Amino acid sequence: DQQVKQNSPSLSVQEGRISILNCDYTNSMFDYFLWYKKYPAEGPTFLISISSIKDKNEDGRFTVFLNKSAKHLSLHIVPSQPGDSAVYFCAARDEGGAQKLVFGQGTRLTINP
Amino acid sequence: KAGVTQTPRYLIKTRGQQVTLSCSPISGHRSVSWYQQTPGQGLQFLFEYFSETQRNKGNFPGRFSGRQFSNSRSEMNVSTLELGDSALYLCASSLRRAVSGANVLTFGAGSRLTVL
Repeated sequence: DQQVKQNSPSLSVQEGRISILNCDYTNSMFDYFLWYKKYPAEGPTFLISISSIKDKNEDGRFTVFLNKSAKHLSLHIVPSQPGDSAVYFCAARDEGGAQKLVFGQGTRLTINP
Repeated sequence: KAGVTQTPRYLIKTRGQQVTLSCSPISGHRSVSWYQQTPGQGLQFLFEYFSETQRNKGNFPGRFSGRQFSNSRSEMNVSTLELGDSALYLCASSLRRAVSGANVLTFGAGSRLTVL
């Protein structure tokens, strides 16, 4: 039972353009959503988060949008840079699960020069 | 400030053997969580430890176990290894258990286990 889904295994975007990574979830009890970025041979690093009571959160070039009615969130990267090439994981926290995060399968983003 | 340190980084075992992986959290962090990453499955939660006590457990068989020491360092053990246990095992630490707010996890680089 995949509670968090990233349906696009890969995405290729031209440098300078917008990258949009999508994530769907099924559990309405999730209260926080996070995005992590992972480079090869490194652990995932935290990128940005959003509370379930908000619909948008911005941090520099990164913006996360949350649509609770559709149980959908997206990460926008503008403008995309070559260093953004990595695997991006969407994660959700179950309000009853404290530190437990439920992750999606990841989307490999490639930024082409 | 040193990050989360996991050892060993790479190891190869054969079916039926057991393995122990170690994790040293960021200094001052008291919560340690373990995740398994396999291709196509994302990261799956194994267990969480806080103050030497297991607080939460994922949907894994009893062959997977762990513990936390008084200095917050943690180990996980997998007994009777199976081919399907080949994965990247990631440890993450955080300052405390979150009551509210997104208590961000800081991950180590992982221990890559190959079972032959």
